[in-house]
Amino acid sequence: DGGITQSPKYLFRKEGQNVTLSCEQNLNHDAMYWYRQDPGQGLRLIYYSQIVNDFQKGDIAEGYSVSREKKESFPLTVTSAQKNPTAFYLCASSAHHLNTEAFFGQGTRLTVV
Amino acid sequence: AQKVTQAQTEISVVEKEDVTLDCVYETRDTTYYLFWYKQPPSGELVFLIRRNSFDEQNEISGRYSWNFQKSTSSFNFTITASQVVDSAVYFCALSVLYNQGGKLIFGQGTELSVKP
Repeated sequence: DGGITQSPKYLFRKEGQNVTLSCEQNLNHDAMYWYRQDPGQGLRLIYYSQIVNDFQKGDIAEGYSVSREKKESFPLTVTSAQKNPTAFYLCASSAHHLNTEAFFGQGTRLTVV
Repeated sequence: AQKVTQAQTEISVVEKEDVTLDCVYETRDTTYYLFWYKQPPSGELVFLIRRNSFDEQNEISGRYSWNFQKSTSSFNFTITASQVVDSAVYFCALSVLYNQGGKLIFGQGTELSVKP
């Protein structure tokens, strides 16, 4: 079935460690996005990519890094520089960057222990 | 500034009541798109509707209806005869041009609880 797969669903990280969240889509979409969701704050854009080998910072990119080596994949690394990484992370993709709906994965809940 | 405001943080209704979720947006762009998404407890956001800035026609889909008014910068969502399965967090979002691309700006979300 077509869709977006995020893994893992739950992730625990020790302080000072980098962790990478996986996002894969088989919808043949050009645009992919990473959002962070905190209680009462809606979704905030971390990074987005409109095409392979290109990506742009969103509103809260500090402490995060991404790559887009393949159309299907857009992994997010949460680095030790991210001061408050505990959150729910959602990956999305869309056929066009502006006027088509985004399809979301089921999310990864990251907890720093 | 571009912004989406959902003033209602939580709404609780009894099954079969009608409920309206408010959404107010801000943008200076003349071309933009508005969306509503539903987030059930599983966490995945589900697309409900898209509207472009040039189409102010209201839309009805089953028990769902949307009222888009550019004059008040609002895009409200009404559920008629609510059901327990409608319980979820609902997000309104605005899509605008950004750095030669586009990005979705989300409101804070409204948590709807429908009680039997």
